[in-house]
Amino acid sequence: QKEVEQDPGPLSVPEGAIVSLNCTYSNSAFQYFMWYRQYSRKGPELLMYTYSSGNKEDGRFTAQVDKSSKYISLFIRDSQPSDSATYLCAMSRTVTGTASKLTFGTGTRLQVTL
Amino acid sequence: GAVVSQHPSWVICKSGTSVKIECRSLDFQATTMFWYRQFPKQSLMLMATSNEGSKATYEQGVEKDKFLINHASLTLSTLTVTSAHPEDSSFYICSARTPVVNYGYTFGSGTRLTVV
Repeated sequence: QKEVEQDPGPLSVPEGAIVSLNCTYSNSAFQYFMWYRQYSRKGPELLMYTYSSGNKEDGRFTAQVDKSSKYISLFIRDSQPSDSATYLCAMSRTVTGTASKLTFGTGTRLQVTL
Repeated sequence: GAVVSQHPSWVICKSGTSVKIECRSLDFQATTMFWYRQFPKQSLMLMATSNEGSKATYEQGVEKDKFLINHASLTLSTLTVTSAHPEDSSFYICSARTPVVNYGYTFGSGTRLTVV
């Protein structure tokens, strides 16, 4: 069983839709949770960073972490064609030392259509 | 903001030759850098963690003698693929932890290696 599970998609939605992306994980030691967006043949760029449980909002993006269920989500409101990319969840146990390495989900491919 | 510059963005080499990939943190000091490998439509797989001034820590299954990592300064880490073979063809990405309030990692733009 992988430490982090993420539906690879692809997920196709019409422009303006609300998108929900999710990851589940098995290691309860994870405390830092991130969402990255990756365009084809580019490095990932950080969208959201959350420590422990709770919600965080930034513009059209909302990240949720439920540590009791080991479940994290990313919501994208008013989706745009430019949001079409692969979205990767990532998490780590600490922020220093070797335990700070990120464990990634497989990524979900999102396609926002006109 | 924190920027990690990765070069080259793509490279084609012949089997048996070596290729060096560089990652530089442009506006911050990166004591730790991470090297990933990514196959098409798959996630990032951590290869090794490089710490400035010390030997890199490799993940299980990654050949240390094949993937040489050097982190000689606080702003530069290099990955050398030695005696490259076609199966080494992949997308290689580096990242560094950034000293920002909203803690996160900054990634390089990646290097697409094709071995022919």
